[in-house]
Amino acid sequence: EVQLVESGGGLVQPGGSLRLSCAVSGFTLSDHYMDWVRQAPGKGLEWVGRTRNKANSYTTDYAASVKGRFTISRDDSKNSLYLQMNSLKTEDTAVYYCARGGPAIHFDHWGQGTLVTVSS
Amino acid sequence: DIVMTQTPLSLSVTPGQPASISCKSSQSLLHSDGKTYLYWFLQKPGQPPQLLIYEVSNRFFGVPDRFSGSGSGTDFTLKISRVEAEDVGVYYCMQSLLLSYTFGQGTKLEIK
Repeated sequence: EVQLVESGGGLVQPGGSLRLSCAVSGFTLSDHYMDWVRQAPGKGLEWVGRTRNKANSYTTDYAASVKGRFTISRDDSKNSLYLQMNSLKTEDTAVYYCARGGPAIHFDHWGQGTLVTVSS
Repeated sequence: DIVMTQTPLSLSVTPGQPASISCKSSQSLLHSDGKTYLYWFLQKPGQPPQLLIYEVSNRFFGVPDRFSGSGSGTDFTLKISRVEAEDVGVYYCMQSLLLSYTFGQGTKLEIK
């Protein structure tokens, strides 16, 4: 059974940093793209970024709203995905989901999400 | 970015009746590989989104056949042939043609 479990959310001050983790099981992580998607309270879904699979050299892409501040990494040996968030802004407040990406079917499995609150 | 526009933003449906949601993209989602990169998700209350339909009309594993997707180019539709109580939630379309992937605003389905 495919499972994704996020952790690391919490309250952080504007300008601060936070690192989210996503532990995966039930599939071979190196075969898959992995994405982060966020949802501000009461709002819709926003794609944050992606790391591609081993076959595609683990390249990354980011939404313009987070580029230069957020970094996605992965450790396939630990079955884990990470989202390093720096220079956090109040508008980054959201539930952050990790989702299994392609290369074939995107977002076929999601974690339960972890809440990040950026506030002073 | 490609803009995704859903209508209606909310609908109230009697159990057993059909429902339909429209999604329009600001540019064609047809790729040179012949596939059209349009997805549908359902987010039930308090849960993460779940994949319903990929590439316009392909139901994901375990999705009931009362859900169907259609369309081409820039105009797409999700249809539920007979709404059930478990179908409540917010439906999102998403384009995966170009990064950044973008979602529609969401359509909230409630049961009458």
